[in-house]
Amino acid sequence: IAGITQAPTSQILAAGRRMTLRCTQDMRHNAMYWYRQDLGLGLRLIHYSNTAGTTGKGEVPDGYSVSRANTDDFPLTLASAVPSQTSVYFCASADSPNNEQFFGPGTRLTVL
Amino acid sequence: GQNIDQPTEMTATEGAIVQINCTYQTSGFNGLFWYQQHAGEAPTFLSYNVLDGLEEKGRFSSFLSRSKGYSYLLLKELQMKDSASYLCAVRDSNYQLIWGAGTKLIIKP
Repeated sequence: IAGITQAPTSQILAAGRRMTLRCTQDMRHNAMYWYRQDLGLGLRLIHYSNTAGTTGKGEVPDGYSVSRANTDDFPLTLASAVPSQTSVYFCASADSPNNEQFFGPGTRLTVL
Repeated sequence: GQNIDQPTEMTATEGAIVQINCTYQTSGFNGLFWYQQHAGEAPTFLSYNVLDGLEEKGRFSSFLSRSKGYSYLLLKELQMKDSASYLCAVRDSNYQLIWGAGTKLIIKP
């Protein structure tokens, strides 16, 4: 692994299903972030974690949950997917909240 | 509310210079970032400004005026590979990034 990876690359999901998007980084970065990117809108922060064991809510947290059990992994869970959660999801990391963020390749999620 | 404004789309010619503007209104300011995002790919970091003035990095330069809530990204000697979206982001008082919707730059031969 080099950098930050996300899985799956893309997914089509029925409404009401539970889904976990995975994010793993090998840079030993303390801070990690989940964004969604929708056409015509800027990246919007869903949840973040400044260090392992802590998480915080971003701008659009409703319907999503995260955990940060260790430094490397930051999964994002949709408990019961809805069509408005159709989006491209990016995970990012930074060695501190003060520094630039590095992004994973993204997950394209379609909820029908 | 917090707001980042950028032009939606710009067109420029290969070899020329283009300036992409960004204006912001945020709750606090702790730096401004520019990212490049090619279609279907992840954003990648280009530049960071926290003090007023110009930061130069090769063909790319970024300028900041905190009193005016204004920044620009200057791209020189444009190449076809510079066709991408350019995202402006401001770090607010909570150290979270507030993102503009991005400027799609189209380079023509």
